[in-house]
Amino acid sequence: QSALTQPASVSGSPGQSITISCTGTSSDVGGYNYVSWYQQHPGKAPKLMIYEVSNRPSGVSNRFSGSKSGNTASLTISGLQAEDEADYYCSSYTSSSTPSVFGTGTKVTVL
Amino acid sequence: EVQLVESGGGLVQPGRSLRLSCAASGFTFDDYAMHWVRQAPGKGLEWVSGISWNSGSIGYADSVKGRFTISRDNAKNSLYLQMNSLRAEDTALYYCAKDSFGFRELLVFSGENWGQGTLVTVSS
Repeated sequence: QSALTQPASVSGSPGQSITISCTGTSSDVGGYNYVSWYQQHPGKAPKLMIYEVSNRPSGVSNRFSGSKSGNTASLTISGLQAEDEADYYCSSYTSSSTPSVFGTGTKVTVL
Repeated sequence: EVQLVESGGGLVQPGRSLRLSCAASGFTFDDYAMHWVRQAPGKGLEWVSGISWNSGSIGYADSVKGRFTISRDNAKNSLYLQMNSLRAEDTALYYCAKDSFGFRELLVFSGENWGQGTLVTVSS
């Protein structure tokens, strides 16, 4: 099972909106509504930001939103803030021999 | 408050074995699937293994299948990962993570809570 494809880096200015893509196949992202997104600051454990494509856990800012179209899921961060600078990973359930797969990761830089 | 505390990591020679543990508290452990996720130094996240709430569903990444065994002891609120035939490429920080939803049979990974990780270094 190959990792899902994410852009290596995305950047934006404070207040802007950015979108991170996560591309898979019909066996993972496209086939199930089980895509989640994680934020990881340096030296810290990942934090769940979105589950089941578009749902936010309690306590996560509504500036974070998720969506999916075909085999590509997306995470949008609106009103970008300095604290959003981190690595972001998507993950999806898969029908392959490995039931779960992560994306390659995206480094978000706030200019 | 949910707490997950991993232990058992360390320096081990290639080909040897290691057993990781994850002590859970602050929630009803036997209601939730649990997972192991690893991160090699400077690299991305890799899902390693997961086990459903009742151990009825178990899954592994292809990279560890046949070498690693996941298990849980609901009476002790503990998750384990037995790692055999270790390789240099298994060097990573190993995280224990709790699923977001209880009683889920499908091994969907939605890691609502994570531990701080335990470092495994495989080197001669």
